[in-house]
Amino acid sequence: QSALTQPASVSGSPGQSITISCTGTSSDIGSNLVSWYQQYPGKAPKLLIYDDSWRPSGVSNRFSGSKSGNTASLTISGLQAEDEAEYYCCSSAGRPTNYVFGTGTVVTAL
Amino acid sequence: QVQLQESGPRLVKPSGTLSLTCAVSGYSISSNEWWSWVRQSPGKGLEWIGEISLTGTTNYNPSLSSRLSISLDKPNNQFSLRLHSVTAADSAVYYCARESHSSTDFWGQGTLVTVSS
Repeated sequence: QSALTQPASVSGSPGQSITISCTGTSSDIGSNLVSWYQQYPGKAPKLLIYDDSWRPSGVSNRFSGSKSGNTASLTISGLQAEDEAEYYCCSSAGRPTNYVFGTGTVVTAL
Repeated sequence: QVQLQESGPRLVKPSGTLSLTCAVSGYSISSNEWWSWVRQSPGKGLEWIGEISLTGTTNYNPSLSSRLSISLDKPNNQFSLRLHSVTAADSAVYYCARESHSSTDFWGQGTLVTVSS
């Protein structure tokens, strides 16, 4: 099972909105739920979005998720310096259960 | 608050077995259906290793399944991973995590395991 495809890096000015794409296939994203994680260097990932577009309690509403066909997206609104991190998408890849992560995207606030 | 803590040898010899335990505190392991392991090789992305349910059902990454075993220890509120016949490619930070809503909502801090002679 191949990793989901994400852009290596995305940047934006503070205050702007940026979107990270996550492209898969009909066997993973196209037919399963997607989650998104934020990871700072040397730290464990943190769940930002689950079930395509739901935010866990405590996650800023500047983070939003969506999905269309085989592509999921994470949007960060009002980009802040503290958002500089690596972001990963994740989806199940069918039965038996086998999760696959995205290749990761480094976000930079210029 | 759910807390997870990985423990085990930090150095494993090639062809040996990597064994890690994840201790869950502040929460009963029996209160959640699935528990999982994820790893991250140095400078690389995240890789899902596998998961175990309260009933003992396991699902493994196909690329690791022939060498992998995940078990659950309800009385001690922990679960474990064993990866056999390791090589340098298995050197990574290993994370244990709680699954919820087809995602992992609580993670351990991770432990770096190096495979080297």
